This record gives sequence, C-alpha cells and structure tokens, in this order.
Amino acid sequence: DTEVTQTPKHLVMGMTNKKSLKCEQHMGHRAMYWYKQKAKKPPELMFVYSYEKLSINESVPSRFSPECPNSSLLNLHLHALQPEDSALYLCASSQDLNPRGQPQHFGDGTRLSIL
Amino acid sequence: DQQVKQNSPSLSVQEGRISILNCDYTNSMFDYFLWYKKYPAEGPTFLISISSIKDKNEDGRFTVFLNKSAKHLSLHIVPSQPGDSAVYFCAAVMDSNYQLIWGAGTKLIIKP
Repeated sequence: DTEVTQTPKHLVMGMTNKKSLKCEQHMGHRAMYWYKQKAKKPPELMFVYSYEKLSINESVPSRFSPECPNSSLLNLHLHALQPEDSALYLCASSQDLNPRGQPQHFGDGTRLSIL
Repeated sequence: DQQVKQNSPSLSVQEGRISILNCDYTNSMFDYFLWYKKYPAEGPTFLISISSIKDKNEDGRFTVFLNKSAKHLSLHIVPSQPGDSAVYFCAAVMDSNYQLIWGAGTKLIIKP
C-alpha cells in the first residue's frame, strides 16, 4: 500500500471542464511534488511545494493550477485542458527537498484522459 | 539533450540469473544517483541509491555500482525473481540542485 494517496484513480473530462486532482500524505513530509508521465517516458516535474510554498514551477501552462492547503494535502486544479494533457499524473512527497538519504515517495497516480 | 541515459529499452532475463541494468550520464556535477522501480498502474518505488563518494551500495538482492570516470552506473539484481519484472528508472541529482533528472527507463522481464 502506498503512503501517498491520490484521488481519483481515473478521470475522464472534456476540454471545457474544471476538475481537481487530490493528493494526501501523513508521513510528516514537508515537500510535495506533481509530476506528469506519458507512456514509455520518465516522470516530468511540474510543481514542487516546500513547507507549503511553491518552490519550483517548471513553466507549466496556466491551465494547471497547484494548491497546497496544508502540509499533508496537495491539489492540482485543471481547467480547459487539451488532448495532449492526457497522461498519468503522479504526486510525490519527501522529508524535505534534499533527496539524499530521503527519497521521494510516490502515489499510484491519476490516469487523466481528455476528450 | 538527455543528461541521464538508459540505452536499453528492455531486458529479458531468466529467473534465478543476474539482471544488470545500465545507466550513463553526461554531467559530472551529478553527485547522487537513485534507482526507482515502477509497475504498471502504480507510482515509482524507490529501490536503492548511491552517493558519488562511493562506488558500491548493496541492499539485499540489489547492488548499485558507480564508475565515476566512465560516468556509468549499473543496478545488479541477484537472483532475479518474477516479481522483479517492472520498468526501472535511473535518476541523478546535481550537487547544487535538488531536482531529479530521470532516464527513460528499462523494462525488465523475468522469464520463468
């Protein structure tokens, strides 16, 4: 069982819809991440929160909007997505930003399909 | 330009034998390396890591070797088991940065 919980597991939405992906961890980690993964590719970093503040934003389109309400929760708000945004969206957490000796723990992802 | 390369998209190994997964990197500023394993429909799971001050790290059936002069690392799995069938990602971290730079992954298939 993963210690990082993502909901929903699957999401199908139209290009005009607004939806949110949710991620929760109770390991006391202070860094949380959103990744996007396309088939047969490695995860691509989208956003990083450290101590509930946005730390890294990898030039992601504004139709993706992250939110970190508290240290245990991370949301990704979706609006007006394009078909090419269909992918597996992974959430991860770690003790802090430094991966040395404290690796990132991943959730099982949300499989997103844009019609 | 890929800084971390896993040149074998797939690898097939007989159960009980050794699996060797390779990873090459181009940036000499990388000082920490990790291996993750990923099953379909699941997130990546951390396997093992190594600091650039070491040349070997072992954890049970998994051993990672680092050759800094060749900018090459490898993951050895001995003995290979059916449950090891998965995609394996190599990732690297630069000393001035905390972001993981990922390889493209190698799909390992363990044949019974």
